[in-house]
Amino acid sequence: DGGITQSPKYLFRKEGQNVTLSCEQNLNHDAMYWYRQDPGQGLRLIYYSQIVNDFQKGDIAEGYSVSREKKESFPLTVTSAQKNPTAFYLCASSALDDNEKLFFGSGTQLSVL
Amino acid sequence: AQSVTQLGSHVSVSEGALVLLRCNYSSSVPPYLFWYVQYPNQGLQLLLKYTSAATLVKGINGFEAEFKKSETSFHLTKPSAHMSDAAEYFCAVSEGVGGSYIPTFGRGTSLIVHP
Repeated sequence: DGGITQSPKYLFRKEGQNVTLSCEQNLNHDAMYWYRQDPGQGLRLIYYSQIVNDFQKGDIAEGYSVSREKKESFPLTVTSAQKNPTAFYLCASSALDDNEKLFFGSGTQLSVL
Repeated sequence: AQSVTQLGSHVSVSEGALVLLRCNYSSSVPPYLFWYVQYPNQGLQLLLKYTSAATLVKGINGFEAEFKKSETSFHLTKPSAHMSDAAEYFCAVSEGVGGSYIPTFGRGTSLIVHP
């Protein structure tokens, strides 16, 4: 089945630690996105990428980094500079010829120990 | 710039009653508008979208939404609520910005359905 896979489902971070969230898609989509979801705040865009080896900052990129070395993969690293990382993280993708419709993964819940 | 306002963080209805979830948007160009649904601990699924064709858009699970340009609204309705409709609903707007069409999401409305 085609879709987006996020892993792990739950992740814990210690103080000063970097952690990486995985996002893989087999939909052959060009564009991929990372959103952060906090209760009552909706979804806020962290980073997005429309082609391999290129990505753009979203509204809340500080404390995060990404890479896009392969079309299928768009990992997100939450660095120690992100002081409030506890949130639900959602990865999404879209086809450039229909890129207003997003397909979402099932999310990763990140918590701080 | 584009933005979305969802009125009411929680909406509570009885099973069988009308569902109305409100969404107002702002956009400097003709928008694309969407409703997504999120069940607990899951990602979002597209319910329906408006892309400048018919102003009344029908989606999955009996939901529909009407685009009203004069009111800058895109409210989501369903004639009769089911228990399985209980979820978080997000309205989103996108517009072409260099062709990227990055959507902006509202804060979400939690639909509670009482037996």
